[in-house]
Amino acid sequence: DAMVIQNPRYQVTQFGKPVTLSCSQTLNHNVMYWYQQKSSQAPKLLFHYYDKDFNNEADTPDNFQSRRPNTSFCFLDIRSPGLGDAAMYLCATSRGPSGGAGETQYFGPGTRLLVL
Amino acid sequence: AQKITQTQPGMFVQEKEAVTLDCTYDTSDPSYGLFWYKQPSSGEMIFLIYQGSYDQQNATEGRYSLNFQKARKSANLVISASQLGDSAMYFCAMRGLGAGNKLTFGGGTRVLVKP
Repeated sequence: DAMVIQNPRYQVTQFGKPVTLSCSQTLNHNVMYWYQQKSSQAPKLLFHYYDKDFNNEADTPDNFQSRRPNTSFCFLDIRSPGLGDAAMYLCATSRGPSGGAGETQYFGPGTRLLVL
Repeated sequence: AQKITQTQPGMFVQEKEAVTLDCTYDTSDPSYGLFWYKQPSSGEMIFLIYQGSYDQQNATEGRYSLNFQKARKSANLVISASQLGDSAMYFCAMRGLGAGNKLTFGGGTRVLVKP
């Protein structure tokens, strides 16, 4: 089945130690997104790639970076995780091109990040 | 700017009964899409149903239906014949034509189905 895959499902890191979360998709979608979701809150968009074009949200901290080496994979790098970065990180994809209001985003299972 | 409001933070429903989750929205875009997602405790966001602003009929997908009232700017989700597996957080979301690829989410409603 076509899907969005996130590894690992749980990630424990130390305060200040760089960590990378990965996302892959078999949907061949053009757009990939990274969301941060804290407990009992709605997901918050960090950034997204439309093909190779990177789009950062204005309030995304510089501590968060992303890479998309090819259509299938996208990575979230947290350069120096703080305690406040502990959250669920959700990857999503959509077909693109943008402009259609009905474009559905499909989410992966998420990675729960714990910062010690 | 777009805004989604879900006024019910949590609710209980008896198994096999129907439940309606409220969602109101605000946008100046003439064309927009409305989505409902389900998020179980495992964390995955599961797409349930979509309604386009120009769709004449209310969307239905199995036990899910969307009660779309454009003039009232509401897009309520109805779950019929609730099952224990429906216990989850439910998010209403919107995407406007002028919003690029961005989805705006409501605050969510937690549903607990009682046996």
